[in-house]
Amino acid sequence: DAGVIQSPRHEVTEMGQEVTLRCKPISGHNSLFWYRQTMMRGLELLIYFNNNVPIDDSGMPEDRFSAKMPNASFSTLKIQPSEPRDSAVYFCASSLVLRASEQFFGPGTRLTVL
Amino acid sequence: RKEVEQDPGPFNVPEGATVAFNCTYSNSASQSFFWYRQDCRKEPKLLMSVYSSGNEDGRFTAQLNRASQYISLLIRDSKLSDSATYLCVVNLNNNDMRFGAGTRLTVKP
Repeated sequence: DAGVIQSPRHEVTEMGQEVTLRCKPISGHNSLFWYRQTMMRGLELLIYFNNNVPIDDSGMPEDRFSAKMPNASFSTLKIQPSEPRDSAVYFCASSLVLRASEQFFGPGTRLTVL
Repeated sequence: RKEVEQDPGPFNVPEGATVAFNCTYSNSASQSFFWYRQDCRKEPKLLMSVYSSGNEDGRFTAQLNRASQYISLLIRDSKLSDSATYLCVVNLNNNDMRFGAGTRLTVKP
């Protein structure tokens, strides 16, 4: 099993640009989570999906952030426009709904907004 | 008050030492509890679940005190490879997981 796949692994962009982060969950997993990790705030849940449906997006910082899951094998997190304070590591994780505790994380995307 | 609080450390211990980490949580309705491990510049990985009766996995022992809303992790005979950040995780319901900020451990030769 390839595990959770995220791309890109690193992204450097300028303030105001659109950023799109991608995630492919583990095959067969039906829950998908987007997290953001910074030194100041630790690991924060942004949004999660069950069976491709967004369940809770209360962690999304503001309207500049949006996430989609068009099918069971792909999700995107978009930031438009990006700001320097969005710089962080963004993790995608997947799990089975009934065993949500065992979340498997992808390697993360390290985002730097200049 | 943060939902999950941990001592950030760092804990610097010699090889072979026993070290314990503590974690407190604020939501008494929390249903399940875990310890995750995160190596430097890597993703978090599940280390072990924490059961009400306490549980052990090799050199690792986890305990839960629901009355005090307190979780602990004990590492015996620590190895260099145990150096990492240990994240306390509280599950409010099936998908609502709250992570502590982590406790950093460095095991030295």
